[in-house]
Amino acid sequence: GEDVEQSLFLSVREGDSSVINCTYTDSSSTYLYWYKQEPGAGLQLLTYIFSNMDMKQDQRLTVLLNKKDKHLSLRIADTQTGDSAIYFCAGAPGGKLIFGQGTELSVKP
Amino acid sequence: DTAVSQTPKYLVTQMGNDKSIKCEQNLGHDTMYWYKQDSKKFLKIMFSYNNKELIINETVPNRFSPKSPDKAHLNLHINSLELGDSAVYFCASSPRDSVFNQPQHFGDGTRLSIL
Repeated sequence: GEDVEQSLFLSVREGDSSVINCTYTDSSSTYLYWYKQEPGAGLQLLTYIFSNMDMKQDQRLTVLLNKKDKHLSLRIADTQTGDSAIYFCAGAPGGKLIFGQGTELSVKP
Repeated sequence: DTAVSQTPKYLVTQMGNDKSIKCEQNLGHDTMYWYKQDSKKFLKIMFSYNNKELIINETVPNRFSPKSPDKAHLNLHINSLELGDSAVYFCASSPRDSVFNQPQHFGDGTRLSIL
């Protein structure tokens, strides 16, 4: 089955860019997703990318997809303390979301 | 407010008890889901219902029984609770099955602790 992997922690300074990486094994997902989970809350869909695209930009967020290497990344420009959260990448092979372990982003002032 | 709402938010109970978690969505969505998030934040789908019909049933112990009285509700009943059931359970909904890229909207979770 699908396996989605992420590094567990990332720490950046406020104003820097953050890059969260994800690798996956099943290339059959039509879309790949990034979700954000703030403490004590559910998951919020941040952005997604169609599998035929290699880049998508949405304000401070840039998603890069390398299908050959099965690598997905999320770049957050000008990271703010409010961006501190856990970020999950997910694929949906066969119609069900498969999540990575989540990357905890810590933003220091 | 339009949302996915779960009750209760916190549930503390003893091993062996039976408990239920309720979920309601007023977004008019057809598909609802239950996920389990363990202590390491790993999130895994348990069940999915589309228009009250079960479409995804992962390898979950049969002590867990979802029930969908209508497409706006998906409740989760757990029998004979075990220590390993301690987790955060999330309900979610989407307009259609996520294979059509309909984003899933999540509730805030139910934190279940087994003593």
